[in-house]
Amino acid sequence: IQLTQSPSSLSASVGDRVTITCRASQGISNYLAWYQQRPGKAPKLLIYAASTLQSGVPSRFSGSGSGTDFTLTITSLQPEDFATYYCQQLNTYLGGTFGGGTKVEIK
Amino acid sequence: QVQLQESGPGLVKPSETLSLTCAVSGGSVSETYYWSWIRQSPGKGLEWIGYVYHSGITNYNPSLKSRVTLSVDTSQNQFSLRLTSVTAADTAVYYCARDRLGGGSLFTGYSHYFDFWGQGTLVSVSS
Repeated sequence: IQLTQSPSSLSASVGDRVTITCRASQGISNYLAWYQQRPGKAPKLLIYAASTLQSGVPSRFSGSGSGTDFTLTITSLQPEDFATYYCQQLNTYLGGTFGGGTKVEIK
Repeated sequence: QVQLQESGPGLVKPSETLSLTCAVSGGSVSETYYWSWIRQSPGKGLEWIGYVYHSGITNYNPSLKSRVTLSVDTSQNQFSLRLTSVTAADTAVYYCARDRLGGGSLFTGYSHYFDFWGQGTLVSVSS
């Protein structure tokens, strides 16, 4: 299963609302996760099951979608949110893949 | 809080075997979680390598399956990665991660997510 993220990068300002899209090459129900990766750090789980917020993650992060189309939204972008975001799926029978990443930069 | 720490050589020669270990603290590899390895080539995206369960069940990325072996050592509370016949294309930061089951069924397959990660270790393949 291929995951295609868009855009590959974007520029935004503190306080902006940001939306990142992930499209799967075939239906994956709601079996999708989102991660944030800051430079030089390991990825951090933000959202799983498409829309469930991982414990400790700020509520300005939200996820939606099912089937092939998914969205990660950050409302009111904060300075610490400038990072690269990845979507991910791993299925016992179909293997695991990550999206190509979306780099969120400061405008 | 679970913590994971990768260890192993930072430099491997072409055609040789890359071996890494992930030590788990604050939890046990015998719990009901899977344990995964993920890598990231310099400046590139993330690639899932495979997972292992404490019973010995494994699942590998088809693109690496012929060269990868994952194992668990419950006595040492750690799990390991072996990647044979390495080339420069295997140069990457290697991460270990706790792999948690999401939804699914035996019919459709189960989904997995990575909720705790090690800090990563850079392995370079060069002569």
